[in-house]
Amino acid sequence: EVQLVESGGGLVQPGGSLRLSCAASGFTFSSYWMHWVRQAPGKGLVWVSRINSDGSSTSYADSVKGRFTISRDNAKNTLYLQMNSLRAEDTAVYYCARDRGSYAEVFDPWGQGTLVTVSS
Amino acid sequence: QSALTQPASVSGSPGQSITISCTGTSSDVGGYNYVSWYQQHPGKAPKLMIYDVSNRPSGVSNRFSGSKSGNTASLTISGLQAEDEADYYCSSYTSSSPHVVFGGGTKLTVL
Repeated sequence: EVQLVESGGGLVQPGGSLRLSCAASGFTFSSYWMHWVRQAPGKGLVWVSRINSDGSSTSYADSVKGRFTISRDNAKNTLYLQMNSLRAEDTAVYYCARDRGSYAEVFDPWGQGTLVTVSS
Repeated sequence: QSALTQPASVSGSPGQSITISCTGTSSDVGGYNYVSWYQQHPGKAPKLMIYDVSNRPSGVSNRFSGSKSGNTASLTISGLQAEDEADYYCSSYTSSSPHVVFGGGTKLTVL
């Protein structure tokens, strides 16, 4: 069974840092592009970042560019999101998602999400 | 880029059919056949229901179907069931970076 399990969320003060992890199982992790998508409380889905299968290429939403870094360890089947200089508006549930592999981004499946709360 | 436009809410009775629209521009929905739909129950992760406008992943009920006309994509759910009550989001490839955009979401209520 394909499974994605996020961890690392929690309460952090504005300006602080947090690293999220996403443990993958049930598929050949090193063959797939991966994404982070977030959802602020009561709001819609917003794409955050993507990384290609070998980690050599990354992209970010303008709102997080320069503050967040996506990475992966294919030996450990794990995706990461390093979040620095956190702001109140970064408060959200963060989901990792596998890219289905078609031409455009299709997210399937998704992890259960991890909540990040930025507050003093 | 701007989010795709979805109605905030739709409703229907069990057994009926409903359609959720997703309106974009020629730079996203209208220009490419890369529209996806996701279902999200409260407190749960989104689930892919339709991709590439009208393709259903394995395991998704054939009561769910997708289509597109011009700059508007649509998700139709036939034979509405109580378990279909959820939020639905569309997404599309877009010509501008970062090349993916979501709709604002639609809350489906089964009366």
